[in-house]
Amino acid sequence: QPVLTQPPSASASLGASVTLTCTLSSGYSNYKVDWYQQRPGKGPRFVMRVGTGGIVGSKGDGIPDRFSVLGSGLNRYLTIKNIQEEDESDYHCGADHGSGSNFVWVFGGGTKLTVL
Amino acid sequence: QLQLQESGPGLVKPSETLSLTCTVSGGSISSSSYYWGWIRQPPGKGLEWIGSIYYSGSTYYNPSLKSRVTISVDTSKNQFSLKLSSVTAADTAVYYCARRRGPSAYSSSWYPVDYWGQGTLVTVSS
Repeated sequence: QPVLTQPPSASASLGASVTLTCTLSSGYSNYKVDWYQQRPGKGPRFVMRVGTGGIVGSKGDGIPDRFSVLGSGLNRYLTIKNIQEEDESDYHCGADHGSGSNFVWVFGGGTKLTVL
Repeated sequence: QLQLQESGPGLVKPSETLSLTCTVSGGSISSSSYYWGWIRQPPGKGLEWIGSIYYSGSTYYNPSLKSRVTISVDTSKNQFSLKLSSVTAADTAVYYCARRRGPSAYSSSWYPVDYWGQGTLVTVSS
Protein backbone atom coordinates (compact mmCIF):
# COMPACT_ATOMS: atom_id res chain seq x y z
CA GLN A 1 0.00 0.00 0.00
CA PRO A 2 1.18 3.57 -0.61
CA VAL A 3 2.72 5.76 2.06
CA LEU A 4 1.76 9.45 1.88
CA THR A 5 4.31 11.95 3.16
CA GLN A 6 3.49 15.55 4.07
CA PRO A 7 5.69 18.23 5.65
CA PRO A 8 4.44 18.82 9.19
CA SER A 9 4.17 22.56 8.83
CA ALA A 10 3.98 25.42 6.36
CA SER A 11 3.41 29.13 6.66
CA ALA A 12 2.47 32.02 4.43
CA SER A 13 1.63 35.67 4.85
CA LEU A 14 -1.86 37.02 4.46
CA GLY A 15 -2.56 37.57 0.79
CA ALA A 16 0.36 35.46 -0.38
CA SER A 17 0.32 32.03 -1.99
CA VAL A 18 1.43 28.67 -0.65
CA THR A 19 1.77 25.20 -2.12
CA LEU A 20 1.34 22.15 0.06
CA THR A 21 2.81 18.83 -1.04
CA CYS A 22 1.71 15.25 -0.56
CA THR A 23 4.25 12.71 -1.82
CA LEU A 24 3.30 9.15 -2.69
CA SER A 25 5.78 6.36 -2.08
CA SER A 26 7.60 4.87 -5.04
CA GLY A 27 5.54 2.79 -7.40
CA TYR A 28 2.27 4.66 -6.88
CA SER A 29 2.66 7.50 -9.37
CA ASN A 30 -0.74 6.84 -10.95
CA TYR A 31 -2.67 7.21 -7.68
CA LYS A 32 -5.18 9.93 -7.01
CA VAL A 33 -5.12 11.79 -3.71
CA ASP A 34 -7.89 13.56 -1.81
CA TRP A 35 -7.14 16.78 0.05
CA TYR A 36 -9.07 17.56 3.23
CA GLN A 37 -9.04 20.81 5.21
CA GLN A 38 -9.44 20.69 8.97
CA ARG A 39 -9.93 23.99 10.75
CA PRO A 40 -8.95 24.20 14.43
CA GLY A 41 -11.31 22.20 16.61
CA LYS A 42 -13.39 21.06 13.64
CA GLY A 43 -13.80 17.92 11.59
CA PRO A 44 -12.23 17.58 8.15
CA ARG A 45 -13.92 18.70 4.96
CA PHE A 46 -13.17 17.64 1.41
CA VAL A 47 -11.24 20.11 -0.75
CA MET A 48 -10.35 18.39 -4.02
CA ARG A 49 -9.19 15.15 -5.58
CA VAL A 50 -6.02 15.27 -7.68
CA GLY A 51 -4.30 12.92 -10.06
CA THR A 52 -1.43 13.40 -12.50
CA GLY A 53 -3.80 15.22 -14.83
CA GLY A 54 -4.91 17.70 -12.19
CA ILE A 55 -8.28 17.94 -10.50
CA VAL A 56 -10.49 14.87 -10.63
CA GLY A 57 -14.19 15.58 -10.32
CA SER A 58 -15.47 18.67 -8.54
CA LYS A 59 -14.26 20.78 -5.65
CA GLY A 60 -15.84 20.28 -2.28
CA ASP A 61 -18.78 22.43 -1.27
CA GLY A 62 -17.80 26.01 -0.51
CA ILE A 63 -14.16 25.65 -1.56
CA PRO A 64 -13.17 28.98 -3.13
CA ASP A 65 -11.50 29.41 -6.50
CA ARG A 66 -8.31 30.39 -4.68
CA PHE A 67 -7.68 26.67 -4.13
CA SER A 68 -6.20 24.62 -6.95
CA VAL A 69 -4.38 21.30 -7.38
CA LEU A 70 -1.69 19.82 -9.56
CA GLY A 71 -0.15 16.39 -9.85
CA SER A 72 3.34 15.49 -11.08
CA GLY A 73 5.15 12.20 -10.69
CA LEU A 74 4.75 11.10 -7.09
CA ASN A 75 3.74 14.56 -5.88
CA ARG A 76 0.24 15.93 -5.43
CA TYR A 77 0.06 19.65 -4.78
CA LEU A 78 -2.54 21.92 -3.21
CA THR A 79 -2.01 25.61 -3.94
CA ILE A 80 -3.82 28.36 -2.09
CA LYS A 81 -3.62 31.85 -3.56
CA ASN A 82 -4.42 35.13 -1.79
CA ILE A 83 -4.35 33.37 1.57
CA GLN A 84 -6.98 34.42 4.07
CA GLU A 85 -7.08 34.00 7.83
CA GLU A 86 -9.73 31.30 7.50
CA ASP A 87 -7.31 29.16 5.49
CA GLU A 88 -5.25 28.52 8.63
CA SER A 89 -5.92 24.81 9.05
CA ASP A 90 -4.45 21.36 8.99
CA TYR A 91 -4.44 19.88 5.51
CA HIS A 92 -4.56 16.12 5.11
CA CYS A 93 -4.10 14.01 2.00
CA GLY A 94 -5.62 10.56 1.62
CA ALA A 95 -5.56 7.78 -0.96
CA ASP A 96 -7.32 4.50 -1.63
CA HIS A 97 -5.53 1.25 -2.36
CA GLY A 98 -6.76 -2.15 -3.39
CA SER A 99 -10.23 -3.54 -3.78
CA GLY A 100 -12.63 -5.85 -2.04
CA SER A 101 -11.26 -7.41 1.12
CA ASN A 102 -7.84 -5.91 0.35
CA PHE A 103 -9.10 -2.32 0.32
CA VAL A 104 -7.11 0.13 2.42
CA TRP A 105 -7.57 3.88 2.90
CA VAL A 106 -4.40 5.70 3.94
CA PHE A 107 -3.62 9.24 5.03
CA GLY A 108 -0.54 11.39 5.24
CA GLY A 109 0.52 12.89 8.54
CA GLY A 110 -1.04 16.27 7.73
CA THR A 111 0.45 19.73 7.25
CA LYS A 112 -0.36 22.55 9.66
CA LEU A 113 -0.69 25.79 7.69
CA THR A 114 -0.07 28.96 9.65
CA VAL A 115 -1.16 32.31 8.23
CA LEU A 116 1.24 35.05 9.27
CA GLN B 1 -29.25 17.58 5.05
CA LEU B 2 -27.53 14.40 6.18
CA GLN B 3 -26.08 14.47 9.69
CA LEU B 4 -23.85 11.99 11.49
CA GLN B 5 -23.47 12.01 15.26
CA GLU B 6 -21.02 9.95 17.28
CA SER B 7 -21.92 8.82 20.77
CA GLY B 8 -20.32 6.71 23.46
CA PRO B 9 -18.16 6.86 26.60
CA GLY B 10 -15.47 9.51 26.64
CA LEU B 11 -13.28 7.52 29.02
CA VAL B 12 -12.29 3.88 28.69
CA LYS B 13 -9.94 1.91 30.91
CA PRO B 14 -6.86 0.19 29.48
CA SER B 15 -7.47 -3.39 28.28
CA GLU B 16 -11.22 -2.76 28.01
CA THR B 17 -13.33 -2.38 24.85
CA LEU B 18 -14.09 1.00 23.30
CA SER B 19 -17.63 1.19 21.93
CA LEU B 20 -19.01 4.01 19.80
CA THR B 21 -22.17 4.47 17.76
CA CYS B 22 -22.80 6.77 14.83
CA THR B 23 -26.41 7.79 14.30
CA VAL B 24 -27.36 8.90 10.81
CA SER B 25 -30.19 11.38 10.38
CA GLY B 26 -31.63 13.12 7.33
CA GLY B 27 -31.03 10.10 5.12
CA SER B 28 -30.97 6.32 5.07
CA ILE B 29 -28.00 4.23 6.06
CA SER B 30 -29.29 1.71 3.51
CA SER B 31 -28.67 4.06 0.57
CA SER B 32 -27.14 2.17 -2.31
CA SER B 33 -23.41 2.66 -2.95
CA TYR B 34 -22.72 4.52 0.30
CA TYR B 35 -20.23 3.20 2.81
CA TRP B 36 -19.99 4.20 6.44
CA GLY B 37 -16.64 4.50 8.11
CA TRP B 38 -14.70 5.26 11.25
CA ILE B 39 -11.59 7.46 11.22
CA ARG B 40 -9.61 8.56 14.27
CA GLN B 41 -7.13 11.31 15.06
CA PRO B 42 -4.80 11.08 18.08
CA PRO B 43 -4.15 14.45 19.72
CA GLY B 44 -1.84 16.53 17.56
CA LYS B 45 -1.51 13.81 14.93
CA GLY B 46 -2.92 12.88 11.54
CA LEU B 47 -5.97 10.92 10.49
CA GLU B 48 -6.10 7.12 10.61
CA TRP B 49 -8.77 5.02 8.90
CA ILE B 50 -10.17 2.32 11.18
CA GLY B 51 -12.67 0.61 8.93
CA SER B 52 -15.83 0.89 6.83
CA ILE B 53 -19.09 -0.97 6.41
CA TYR B 54 -21.84 -1.26 3.80
CA TYR B 55 -25.46 -1.53 4.88
CA SER B 56 -25.44 -5.16 3.80
CA GLY B 57 -22.83 -5.82 6.46
CA SER B 58 -19.73 -6.07 4.26
CA THR B 59 -16.78 -4.72 6.19
CA TYR B 60 -13.35 -3.36 5.37
CA TYR B 61 -10.74 -2.96 8.11
CA ASN B 62 -7.35 -1.31 8.49
CA PRO B 63 -4.95 -4.27 8.59
CA SER B 64 -3.06 -2.69 11.48
CA LEU B 65 -6.20 -2.69 13.65
CA LYS B 66 -8.13 -5.61 12.17
CA SER B 67 -7.51 -8.02 15.03
CA ARG B 68 -9.13 -5.63 17.53
CA VAL B 69 -11.90 -3.98 15.47
CA THR B 70 -15.50 -4.89 14.84
CA ILE B 71 -17.81 -2.59 12.87
CA SER B 72 -21.51 -3.42 12.64
CA VAL B 73 -24.63 -1.83 11.22
CA ASP B 74 -28.21 -1.62 12.49
CA THR B 75 -30.38 -0.51 9.59
CA SER B 76 -33.53 -0.45 11.76
CA LYS B 77 -31.97 2.25 13.94
CA ASN B 78 -30.05 3.94 11.11
CA GLN B 79 -26.85 3.44 13.08
CA PHE B 80 -23.47 1.82 12.75
CA SER B 81 -21.09 0.99 15.53
CA LEU B 82 -17.43 0.53 16.36
CA LYS B 83 -15.90 -1.81 18.90
CA LEU B 84 -12.16 -1.67 19.56
CA SER B 85 -10.89 -4.22 22.04
CA SER B 86 -7.87 -4.31 24.35
CA VAL B 87 -7.36 -0.56 24.23
CA THR B 88 -4.22 1.20 25.39
CA ALA B 89 -3.28 4.85 25.77
CA ALA B 90 -2.29 4.81 22.08
CA ASP B 91 -5.99 4.50 21.23
CA THR B 92 -6.73 7.89 22.78
CA ALA B 93 -8.08 9.97 19.91
CA VAL B 94 -10.95 11.91 18.45
CA TYR B 95 -13.10 9.37 16.64
CA TYR B 96 -15.04 10.48 13.56
CA CYS B 97 -17.73 8.68 11.61
CA ALA B 98 -18.09 9.48 7.94
CA ARG B 99 -19.86 8.59 4.69
CA ARG B 100 -18.27 7.82 1.33
CA ARG B 101 -19.68 6.64 -1.95
CA GLY B 102 -17.97 3.46 -2.95
CA PRO B 103 -17.97 0.48 -5.31
CA SER B 104 -21.22 -0.57 -6.89
CA ALA B 105 -22.41 -2.70 -9.75
CA TYR B 106 -21.52 0.17 -12.08
CA SER B 107 -18.24 1.44 -10.69
CA SER B 108 -15.27 0.17 -8.70
CA SER B 109 -14.33 3.67 -7.55
CA TRP B 110 -14.26 5.14 -4.10
CA TYR B 111 -15.25 8.80 -3.80
CA PRO B 112 -14.19 11.40 -1.21
CA VAL B 113 -16.00 11.70 2.10
CA ASP B 114 -19.03 13.90 1.69
CA TYR B 115 -20.27 13.89 5.29
CA TRP B 116 -18.38 13.75 8.58
CA GLY B 117 -19.57 13.56 12.14
CA GLN B 118 -18.35 16.25 14.52
CA GLY B 119 -16.05 13.79 16.26
CA THR B 120 -15.89 12.52 19.83
CA LEU B 121 -12.83 12.39 22.06
CA VAL B 122 -12.15 9.04 23.68
CA THR B 123 -9.48 8.92 26.34
CA VAL B 124 -7.97 5.64 27.47
CA SER B 125 -6.88 5.95 31.07
CA SER B 126 -7.27 4.21 34.38
